Formats: sequence, C-alpha cells, structure tokens
Amino acid sequence: RKEVEQDPGPFNVPEGATVAFNCTYSNSASQSFFWYRQDCRKEPKLLMSVYSSGNEDGRFTAQLNRASQYISLLIRDSKLSDSATYLCVVNSASKIIFGSGTRLSIRP
Amino acid sequence: NAGVTQTPKFQVLKTGQSMTLQCAQDMNHNSMYWYRQDPGMGLRLIYYSASEGTTDKGEVPNGYNVSRLNKREFSLRLESAAPSQTSVYFCASSPGTGYEQYFGPGTRLTVT
Repeated sequence: RKEVEQDPGPFNVPEGATVAFNCTYSNSASQSFFWYRQDCRKEPKLLMSVYSSGNEDGRFTAQLNRASQYISLLIRDSKLSDSATYLCVVNSASKIIFGSGTRLSIRP
Repeated sequence: NAGVTQTPKFQVLKTGQSMTLQCAQDMNHNSMYWYRQDPGMGLRLIYYSASEGTTDKGEVPNGYNVSRLNKREFSLRLESAAPSQTSVYFCASSPGTGYEQYFGPGTRLTVT
C-alpha cells in the first residue's frame, strides 16, 4: 500500500460546482498535512495546511479524519482558474510524502 | 524576497556530460530538498539537507550528488548524465523537516 494515495482523476466539473477530493495515508502517527496545487509545467504551490479541527480559506475547506486516516479538500463555487492538479502532502516521522495528485478540470 | 531560485531554467545535455543545478533560498530556511518530476508522475525526492552541513539520500539518489554550500544554497550535480535523467528538477526549502515546503520554478533538463 502506498504511504499516501490520491484518486488521479481527472475530475471534470462545471464552473460553479462544488467538488471534493480525499487523500488517504497509511501511517497513523503522521503529524501534519498540507494541500498543494500544481499548474501545468509549474512548481507546486502551498494551498493550505490542514489542521485537526478543520480549516477554511475562502472557497476552500480542508478537513482531517485521523480515525479513518484521510484528509479532504472541498472547493465551493469552482472557477475556471481552479483547474490544476491538487497534491496531498503528509508529514510522517519528519519525512514529507507527496501524493501523486488529483487532476481537476473546470469547464465553462 | 525572491523565495527559492533555480538556475538554469532549461538545459540540454549529451549522454555522459556533467552539470550542476543551482538552488538558493532567501527565507532563512534550515531544510532544503531536490525532487524530480517525470511527465504525468508525482514528485520523487532525490536528496535533502535537513540543516546546514548535513545531506541525506531520498527515494532516487543514484546518479546524483549534492552539496549544501551554506544555509542559502543547495546544489545538485549530475556527474555523467543519462537519458533516464531527462526530467523537471525542483528545489524546495522549508523552515525544518516536516514543515511546509516552498518550491523554486524548476529546471527542465533533457539528456540526448
């Protein structure tokens, strides 16, 4: 089993829709979690950290479920500019592990 | 602040040639990393430096060497380039291991 797993997608949704993706991790002792976005041929950029209590940044909400060992990212009122690959990142014993990413495509 | 900078942006090498990829950060971060990303694939860690003066192997270190020149700079060297090393190389830095990482713009390397 991979240490961090994501559905590769692509998720193809209309503008204005709400979309959510999950990411599962295998090490129950994992300590910190992040979501990054990566545009085509660009570097990954930090989208948000994921806190135990869940956190929101504008249209984006991140949640952590330690019991089931997954984190989620919810995007509300999606925009064309949200089209990107979303990478789940898990800190496990001071080792940062990147998921392979979920591709999101927003259509007009 | 420039964040993380990488040079060069693009490079074409012939098999067997050597080159050094440069990376610098101005965020006073302790930890620095080198990744490669192949088309349609995730990031794979080549080497990292948890703090100035230390370096450790990542997932795919073969064919590469690194130098943590000082706190700001972390270079990646290909001693004898092979076509399998054609990839996009990203450098990243973080306040410490386990913290969020900030990436440079990448170097697109082609080995023919």
